[in-house]
Amino acid sequence: AQSVTQLGSHVSVSEGALVLLRCNYSSSVPPYLFWYVQYPNQGLQLLLKYTSAATLVKGINGFEAEFKKSETSFHLTKPSAHMSDAAEYFCAVSDTGANSKLTFGKGITLSVRP
Amino acid sequence: DAGVTQSPTHLIKTRGQQVTLRCSPKSGHDTVSWYQQALGQGPQFIFQYYEEEERQRGNFPDRFSGHQFPNYSSELNVNALWLGDSALYLCASSFPGVVNGYTFGSGTRLTVV
Repeated sequence: AQSVTQLGSHVSVSEGALVLLRCNYSSSVPPYLFWYVQYPNQGLQLLLKYTSAATLVKGINGFEAEFKKSETSFHLTKPSAHMSDAAEYFCAVSDTGANSKLTFGKGITLSVRP
Repeated sequence: DAGVTQSPTHLIKTRGQQVTLRCSPKSGHDTVSWYQQALGQGPQFIFQYYEEEERQRGNFPDRFSGHQFPNYSSELNVNALWLGDSALYLCASSFPGVVNGYTFGSGTRLTVV
């Protein structure tokens, strides 16, 4: 079985500060990993995905994540937070088949202080 | 290009009732997946439909059932509603062979009272 752990439920940063959202995964097979963002009253939007190519993955809106197999981690970072980054962020894992189901973490709420 | 459309956006039902939620996939997509997102939780996979058949199913009871129509649209049915079924129900469509080419709808907020 696959699972994802997102430690902490809320992260607060100042505008312009580094954003770091942590994700650790558990999988018995080589996984695909994803980060999604959810704004209030909206669905999920894909930020980036790791599909066994480059371990450093760049996504939309300046976000990136690094796949570290030895640490079973896939942390999301952004060098400089913007007010518009305030949202809920979900890490997810799937196996490597196309259209495989996604297993999500509980999510982290990111607040950005002016 | 319309994305994934879900209806209704909000719904209030009474315990024991039945509910049907609807999803129209993004143009060109023929696979539909349904997820349940309880308050403060991540989405949980319910099931996936392709070629009008259920292809994958998550850990949900038989009270949850679905259907896919020839035009690829889909319905999620929940019978004998519990208070615990209150959640945001998300539909995601995709095209076969594309890794995680999911497009999510904005969801249907179901409240069971």
